[in-house]
Amino acid sequence: GQQVMQIPQYQHVQEGEDFTTYCNSSTTLSNIQWYKQRPGGHPVFLIQLVKSGEVKKQKRLTFQFGEAKKNSSLHITATQTTDVGTYFCAGSDAGGTSYGKLTFGQGTILTVHP
Amino acid sequence: DTEVTQTPKHLVMGMTNKKSLKCEQHMGHRAMYWYKQKAKKPPELMFVYSYEKLSINESVPSRFSPECPNSSLLNLHLHALQPEDSALYLCASSGKETGPMGVTEAFFGQGTRLTVV
Repeated sequence: GQQVMQIPQYQHVQEGEDFTTYCNSSTTLSNIQWYKQRPGGHPVFLIQLVKSGEVKKQKRLTFQFGEAKKNSSLHITATQTTDVGTYFCAGSDAGGTSYGKLTFGQGTILTVHP
Repeated sequence: DTEVTQTPKHLVMGMTNKKSLKCEQHMGHRAMYWYKQKAKKPPELMFVYSYEKLSINESVPSRFSPECPNSSLLNLHLHALQPEDSALYLCASSGKETGPMGVTEAFFGQGTRLTVV
């Protein structure tokens, strides 16, 4: 079945430093989504990427979808303490029997030291 | 209303108990999901309901029984659980644009933190 690998598992940064997390899928994805989960909270949708090579920005966050639609990255510029949490990528297979199914990566736990 | 509401927020149950988790959304979404999440792990898909019909069961043990009474409600009935079933149970819903292009944005509830003793 589909597997989505995400690295690193943990990232500790000083406030103001940049942060990147990477996802790689074993199969071609129809789309990839990114979620943030604060400690003690629930996953909150950040963005969805659909097109090959797509790049989207949300303020200090930049999301990329690879040309082969098998990998993706999230980059945060100048981290703030409010960025603390776990960032998950979640991929959806391109059709087939994976109707309605999202497969989550392992997540990257981000800690920001003030 | 962009919320998914789950009740209860916390639940402690014995291994012989029967309990139910409830989930409600009023966003007109036609797909609803149950996920299980252990500490420091990603959400694991358990069930998908699409247009009120069970479309995906990820080989979940029969002690977990989902039910979708209508398009806004999703229940998870629990019976004879084991301590290793203790986890955060998340409900989610997503919009109508399912199909070959995959799922759209999923809205998660705050979850039910379940402890089996």
